[in-house]
Amino acid sequence: AQSVTQLDSQVPVFEEAPVELRCNYSSSVSVYLFWYVQYPNQGLQLLLKYLSGSTLVKGINGFEAEFNKSQTSFHLRKPSVHISDTAEYFCAAEMDSNYQLIWGAGTKLIIKP
Amino acid sequence: GAVVSQHPSRVICKSGTSVKIECRSLDFQATTMFWYRQFPKQSLMLMATSNEGSKATYEQGVEKDKFLINHASLTLSTLTVTSAHPEDSSFYICSAREGGSTQYFGPGTRLTVL
Repeated sequence: AQSVTQLDSQVPVFEEAPVELRCNYSSSVSVYLFWYVQYPNQGLQLLLKYLSGSTLVKGINGFEAEFNKSQTSFHLRKPSVHISDTAEYFCAAEMDSNYQLIWGAGTKLIIKP
Repeated sequence: GAVVSQHPSRVICKSGTSVKIECRSLDFQATTMFWYRQFPKQSLMLMATSNEGSKATYEQGVEKDKFLINHASLTLSTLTVTSAHPEDSSFYICSAREGGSTQYFGPGTRLTVL
């Protein structure tokens, strides 16, 4: 079955420390992968996406993610987080031609001062 | 970049009334629009997929007579929650796809039914 798994519901990290938010997918076909960020009481903003080409994708706000086909992962990383990065982060995958996204459950990034 | 707006951002209504939410793609033509519902502390739940000029495709368990979707033009889709009840209170988010695989999301509409 096709699915997207975000292993951590919450990730607390100190300000200026690095962070990795994990995302794994399950699919028998090729996928397009996305990371979205949702600030409190707001809609979603696209952070970055992998469609093809280089497996290391750079996005906005200093985030990057690496597509690893063998491990079926698309982990999101940032070398140094700020208080303003406090938000919920969603990993999503498009696995068929309907353009529908399959969503992970989300990871809440908590920045500790 | 691609911008999607939603109106209203917040609405409070009495039980039994109908509420219309608009979703607009401001700087691109959206061949497909999606409507999501998000419950507190949960991920997005796809309600329906809407293509311009055709009937929306609803996900299993979503009542099409209760959640009316109209995609009248390439820049506008509306979701009408008919005879709303307190259990319909939620955060409704639309997204629009221009032609590629990327969906651009609106800011969401917080619906509270009293």
